[in-house]
Amino acid sequence: GAGVSQSPSNKVTEKGKDVELRCDPISGHTALYWYRQSLGQGLEFLIYFQGNSAPDKSGLPSDRFSAERTGGSVSTLTIQRTQQEDSAVYLCASSLGGDNSYNEQFFGPGTRLTVL
Amino acid sequence: AQSVTQLDSHVSVSEGTPVLLRCNYSSSYSPSLFWYVQHPNKGLQLLLKYTSAATLVKGINGFEAEFKKSETSFHLTKPSAHMSDAAEYFCVVSGYSNYQLIWGAGTKLIIKP
Repeated sequence: GAGVSQSPSNKVTEKGKDVELRCDPISGHTALYWYRQSLGQGLEFLIYFQGNSAPDKSGLPSDRFSAERTGGSVSTLTIQRTQQEDSAVYLCASSLGGDNSYNEQFFGPGTRLTVL
Repeated sequence: AQSVTQLDSHVSVSEGTPVLLRCNYSSSYSPSLFWYVQHPNKGLQLLLKYTSAATLVKGINGFEAEFKKSETSFHLTKPSAHMSDAAEYFCVVSGYSNYQLIWGAGTKLIIKP
């Protein structure tokens, strides 16, 4: 079956522009996660969805970042007025349920965002 | 608060020799621990996980890790390195909330022919 997919794979934008990153989780996975990976660092948690609800948005770095999930499936991460420090790889993961850390998170290939 | 420290940013070994990637964690309760691998231009993949069952955990591709509570360590080992093992490896600990994962900075494993 298909894994987690993300689009676009690469995005180059100019400072101040808005960008939208898309994540398609594995069918049937109710939990969805967004992470950010900067060069040479581990993953930074951004937000977690259980179904369409986001019980934890604590990792979003600023109010320029927002995310939504519709139909319990596709999720979009939006960054408004992008800054150069937003440049990173944005990773999406999904799992069967989010309330149990035993549930393996399956990762997409990521979107590499470059802000010029 | 939970945290994880990977003691080496880079590890270089010759093909056929043992691999040791070191990880120490800090947790105020019994954590779940994981190792993930990230090959170049590929997604992250779970290697193995510890969830309070056996302290010696076997994973894919011949890797294993031992949970040592007294040392707060969860080192990853493999008896004999293969060229295909070249990748970045992340040690991960479960956070305060069950869904939350705390990631180490990663160790890049280099395999010399």
